[in-house]
Amino acid sequence: DTGVSQDPRHKITKRGQNVTFRCDPISEHNRLYWYRQTLGQGPEFLTYFQNEAQLEKSRLLSDRFSAERPKGSFSTLEIQRTEQGDSAMYLCASSPMVGQPQHFGDGTRLSIL
Amino acid sequence: ILNVEQSPQSLHVQEGDSTNFTCSFPSSNFYALHWYRWETAKSPEALFVMTLNGDEKKKGRISATLNTKEGYSYLYIKGSQPEDSATYLCASLYNTDKLIFGTGTRLQVFP
Repeated sequence: DTGVSQDPRHKITKRGQNVTFRCDPISEHNRLYWYRQTLGQGPEFLTYFQNEAQLEKSRLLSDRFSAERPKGSFSTLEIQRTEQGDSAMYLCASSPMVGQPQHFGDGTRLSIL
Repeated sequence: ILNVEQSPQSLHVQEGDSTNFTCSFPSSNFYALHWYRWETAKSPEALFVMTLNGDEKKKGRISATLNTKEGYSYLYIKGSQPEDSATYLCASLYNTDKLIFGTGTRLQVFP
């Protein structure tokens, strides 16, 4: 069990650029979740996958955001035309089934200049 | 809109003190309550998952209780140590597989 891995740890980019983050879940976990956390707030749900199927998306996820999990293993979260308000910590988590604890990665901290 | 609230927002205690925090959540369609500990520069770590009214869970000096009828959970830390310093997050689960997090309680334990 190597844990949930996220890459990169930090990303600094100019407003208007596209960014992509990667999450590698624990290998036997079929559920994968993305959250966003801003200063002073708890993590906010963005989307989740069961295997390769994206089962739910938050209203927070505008059409500039897209997430994929093509083979039911790793997942990517892409933000197009980044805005200042996208600056946040993006967390990925995985779990083996509903109701089980979620295992989190260290997150990707995005800063928009 | 489902809202999970935690209090207090922050807490400063001396080493050896016992402490507790509260998590309040909507009780309608409730499925489970999660507690996580999040230390600075690390990833959130699961402490407990509780589902049944009256559930009590314990892990070392940390314990938690759950009241699903009135929609609250307490987390207790007995004999706080500096290494307990972290943000403690609760999150509730309803009829989807989507955790709704509170804003957390930031605990600082001074030696």
